[in-house]
Amino acid sequence: QTVVTQEPSLTVSPGGTVTLTCASSTGAVTSGYYPNWFQQKPGQAPRALIYSTSSKQSWTPARFSGSLLGGKAALTLSGVQPEDEAVYYCLLYHGGGRVFGGGTRLTVL
Amino acid sequence: QVQLQESGPGLVKPSETLSLTCNVSGGSFTNYYWNWIRQPPGKGLEWIGYMYYGGSANYNPSLKSRVTISVDTSKNQLLLTLTSVTAADTAVYYCARERSAGMDYWGPGALVTVSS
Repeated sequence: QTVVTQEPSLTVSPGGTVTLTCASSTGAVTSGYYPNWFQQKPGQAPRALIYSTSSKQSWTPARFSGSLLGGKAALTLSGVQPEDEAVYYCLLYHGGGRVFGGGTRLTVL
Repeated sequence: QVQLQESGPGLVKPSETLSLTCNVSGGSFTNYYWNWIRQPPGKGLEWIGYMYYGGSANYNPSLKSRVTISVDTSKNQLLLTLTSVTAADTAVYYCARERSAGMDYWGPGALVTVSS
């Protein structure tokens, strides 16, 4: 079965920029995998941020952006805020199904 | 504003069947994919499967033999059935709407514990 890999953890300073990535065991991630990104804070349901690689939900702050980078899907946070501390999950569409990555725990410190 | 709400028994015995309902309000039920996702305590998200309003379904291969997802359009409900449960099926279960290749709205989740 397809495995989707994310960095287990990253740390960023307030106001800084950080990029999270999402790789597929089947090869390069392309737009045809329709990468999605979600933010999850403790005790809460995931919140959708990005779909179809780079499209934002209506509620997604401007500092979040999605792209493809070096064969992976990427989520970039620019001007990180303390409230961005959370676990971030990517989702890839594979062969009609969907596969989540293991999540990246982002610490703002 | 679209709202999703999962409901069902919080405790299920091993080898029995888990059944959950997702009530959808504030929006159309048609022309969307409706997903179930779960999250074991302290772990990551796992996609269970989806049902398209038009009737087609697709399941995670690792769960396919035990899962059924259906919709009751008269009640705006998404239904999940998981048979022969074990402790490994203990998780928070979420329903989520999907449109334009994106899961946008999620329910708050329902914790189901498998224990005798």
